[in-house]
Amino acid sequence: QVQLQESGPGLVKPSETLSLTCTVSGGSISSYYWSWIRQPPGKGLEWIGYIYYSGSTNYNPSLKSRVTISVDTSKNQFSLKLSSVTAADTAVYYCARDLGVRNYFGYYYYYMDVWGKGTTVTVSS
Amino acid sequence: SYVLTQPPSVSVAPGKTARITCGGNNIGSKSVHWYQQKPGQAPVLVIYYDSDRPSGIPERFSGSNSGNTATLTISRVEAGDEADYYCQVWDSSSDFRVFGGGTKLTVL
Repeated sequence: QVQLQESGPGLVKPSETLSLTCTVSGGSISSYYWSWIRQPPGKGLEWIGYIYYSGSTNYNPSLKSRVTISVDTSKNQFSLKLSSVTAADTAVYYCARDLGVRNYFGYYYYYMDVWGKGTTVTVSS
Repeated sequence: SYVLTQPPSVSVAPGKTARITCGGNNIGSKSVHWYQQKPGQAPVLVIYYDSDRPSGIPERFSGSNSGNTATLTISRVEAGDEADYYCQVWDSSSDFRVFGGGTKLTVL
């Protein structure tokens, strides 16, 4: 079955750019949406944004000015870049498959059916 | 933007029924999904499309959605159900994925 694995530096300095990659195994990255979600220590889940395999994106407006999500279908990977980080960006970052389904009435809904284990990123000098 | 409201905590005795709510404006018109997250682990989908269960999720987990409230119901609660639970919807007007603030389920 499909598995996701996040990778990237666990420590980033303030004002620098956080970069993470999610590798998809056991299935193709094509024909799906893929999301990044983060969770600050002791807090809830925050959706960061998604990318469709074709490259279209949508971002949480609270992070939009600092976020870039990209995809490399040849490597079955998608990536997250978050610029100008501060201590508030310290969190566990998850990647997830963002499954879109059309119901009987023709309406779509989206949910995350497969998650990576998450990677902890600390912003500190 | 669309907002989902969950109670911070719910407590239940073993063998009883736990109900976790997720409030939102006319949430009954949306599809609601629920995730379970145990300490130190990634979230796991337990309910999708209001009331469907992924394979491997016990029948004790069920969901409903109507009006301004969606509910995750866990019957015959076990100690292993102790976790944080999050609801999530897709906001079609913005194409955003929205999570509730999460509810900590404590098994007494």
